[in-house]
Amino acid sequence: DIQMTQSPSSVSASVGDRVTITCRASQTIPGWVAWYQVKPGKAPRFLIYGVSSDQSGVPPRFSGSGSGTDYTLTINSLRPEDFATYFCLQPNSFPLSFGGGTLVEIK
Amino acid sequence: QELLQESGPGLVKPSETLSLTCAVSGYSITSGHHWSWIRQPPGKGLEWIGSVHHSGNAFYSPSLKSRVTILVDTSQNRFFLNLASLTAADTAIYYCAKPNSGDDFDVWGQGAEVTVSS
Repeated sequence: DIQMTQSPSSVSASVGDRVTITCRASQTIPGWVAWYQVKPGKAPRFLIYGVSSDQSGVPPRFSGSGSGTDYTLTINSLRPEDFATYFCLQPNSFPLSFGGGTLVEIK
Repeated sequence: QELLQESGPGLVKPSETLSLTCAVSGYSITSGHHWSWIRQPPGKGLEWIGSVHHSGNAFYSPSLKSRVTILVDTSQNRFFLNLASLTAADTAIYYCAKPNSGDDFDVWGQGAEVTVSS
């Protein structure tokens, strides 16, 4: 089974900052990671799949990268609506697994 | 427009079985990969519960496998979650989700809040 370790668990940032979130897989995966944004009371929002392919309607300030075991979500020029919790997902093999989540808070 | 809608009881007693339905509209359940259930307990992260193919073949989380069954009804374009022997630890928002090009999920339901309490 593939475990996803996500870091940091929380980060405090200001509007306009760049935020980087990392997920490390317990074994090499073939570059297929998805990222989600979760806000209280709302359905999770699909941001990125296949490492860096952006979902339609997702602003370009969200980008993904990585290979092997290490994958990154970068949010450039943080906007007020970006304060939320972010999760990675490895969908390559069952059982599927999420990272533990990163809370992006307002500094 | 692709929509998923969860339905089921909001309150269930300990030791009972939770049954949830996910109704899919705007997309055929026979067209995708695996359709999934995910949950989020209060104050915690997302947890994958399991996924089902339209053929009926299903995969489950190892930690829940002994208690979970996921079924699909292609004639109704729906899939279902049954979770047995409930405890307070099963209190969560339960989401159903549509597969993207692979087994990640691009469209989620709004979520069904389930409380396990006597």
